[in-house]
Amino acid sequence: QVHLQESGPGLVKPSETLSLTCDVSGSSISSNYYWGWIRQPPGEGLEWIGTVYHSGTTYYNPSLKSRVSISVDTSKKHFSLRLTSVTATDTAVYFCARETGTNIVTRVIDLWGQGTLVTVSS
Amino acid sequence: SFELTQPPSVSVSPGQTARITCSGDALPNQFTSWYQQKPGQAPVLVIYKDSERPSGILERFSGSTSGTTATFAISGVQAEDEADYYCQSADTSGSVVFGGGTRLTVL
Repeated sequence: QVHLQESGPGLVKPSETLSLTCDVSGSSISSNYYWGWIRQPPGEGLEWIGTVYHSGTTYYNPSLKSRVSISVDTSKKHFSLRLTSVTATDTAVYFCARETGTNIVTRVIDLWGQGTLVTVSS
Repeated sequence: SFELTQPPSVSVSPGQTARITCSGDALPNQFTSWYQQKPGQAPVLVIYKDSERPSGILERFSGSTSGTTATFAISGVQAEDEADYYCQSADTSGSVVFGGGTRLTVL
């Protein structure tokens, strides 16, 4: 059974960099899947952050593109998120996820991690 | 990028059919998926490619699309269906967009 698990600091100071890792078990990270990050501020809706294909090709939310970097490490079976210059508005539950689809337009999120709360505060 | 608009809330009595809409100018050219999220849990995919149900999803859940509006329906609503529902689509630039979410209340 495929499982995704987020890990990383639960508290980040303003202006610093948020870094999270998602460990993939039960599936090859080099399969024809996309691997993505989605966040959800407390009491609010879902926001897609970005996606990486196993080849390293990335797609980012235009509103976050200048601060986001997503990478994949196939040897370690994980993918990572970096979000720079964080502020209180970046406080959210961060989900890692697997996206599946025959092409980028047909992508759907068929598997989610449990999510991890990251709070931005001094 | 593009936008998807959902009503903030929908209320329905048990046994009735709940319908949640998702509107967006880009939808005629893109597929819509739907997710169910219960409090404290990760979302679950319930409909993809406008009307397809993933394995294990109840037949009471269905999806359809017409022009710029996608609709998610639950027939014979039960108390356990109370949750937040999100529509989602992806465009040719690779961007993924979620609707703002609809809270379904079972009266």
